Amino acid sequence: AQTVTQSQPEMSVQEAETVTLSCTYDTSESNYYLFWYKQPPSRQMILVIRQEAYKQQNATENRFSVNFQKAAKSFSLKISDSQLGDTAMYFCAFMSTNTGNQFYFGTGTSLTVIP
Amino acid sequence: DAGVIQSPRHEVTEMGQEVTLRCKPISGHNSLFWYRQTMMRGLELLIYFNNNVPIDDSGMPEDRFSAKMPNASFSTLKIQPSEPRDSAVYFCASSLALGTYEQYFGPGTRLTVT
Repeated sequence: AQTVTQSQPEMSVQEAETVTLSCTYDTSESNYYLFWYKQPPSRQMILVIRQEAYKQQNATENRFSVNFQKAAKSFSLKISDSQLGDTAMYFCAFMSTNTGNQFYFGTGTSLTVIP
Repeated sequence: DAGVIQSPRHEVTEMGQEVTLRCKPISGHNSLFWYRQTMMRGLELLIYFNNNVPIDDSGMPEDRFSAKMPNASFSTLKIQPSEPRDSAVYFCASSLALGTYEQYFGPGTRLTVT
């Protein structure tokens, strides 16, 4: 079974600073995808970034980037130049194309950006 | 595109009543997913459909829960009878197809069963 672990229940960062959220996963699959979703107080789940396991290059979307370490099964999210609007719950998610395409979510990290 | 649409946004009902949650996926998306989010259990996948056909309902907690997708643009999640422990936020998500595509979530329905 796939498991996703986010070991940081809560984090905070000063506005304009950089913060890294951790995520590890456990799988025996070789072909899979990883995602970070953001859930602000509005409750809407918003896709932040995705990474294909077969790609060695780390995905980047503007101020958001990942550090994907396949051997270590680690998938951290770095947020640069943090903004107040980044305050939200962040969920790491795993999807394998070999096991029914189900998403497996971590328990989330609550990030607060401090002005 | 309007995104995934869910209704109602909030539902308060009494124990024993039937509850129906509704979802309209993004047009052109072939896969639809129902999730439940609680503080205790996080985000749980309940059931998902591909081309209107249920693929895996192993996450449905009990027979009191049922889901249908009569056509490509509409799905329902029904709880009958409802219980206080069903109180949660229920999300619907859609995806272009199973496989390599990310899921797009609706705004969720906050269900409170008293």
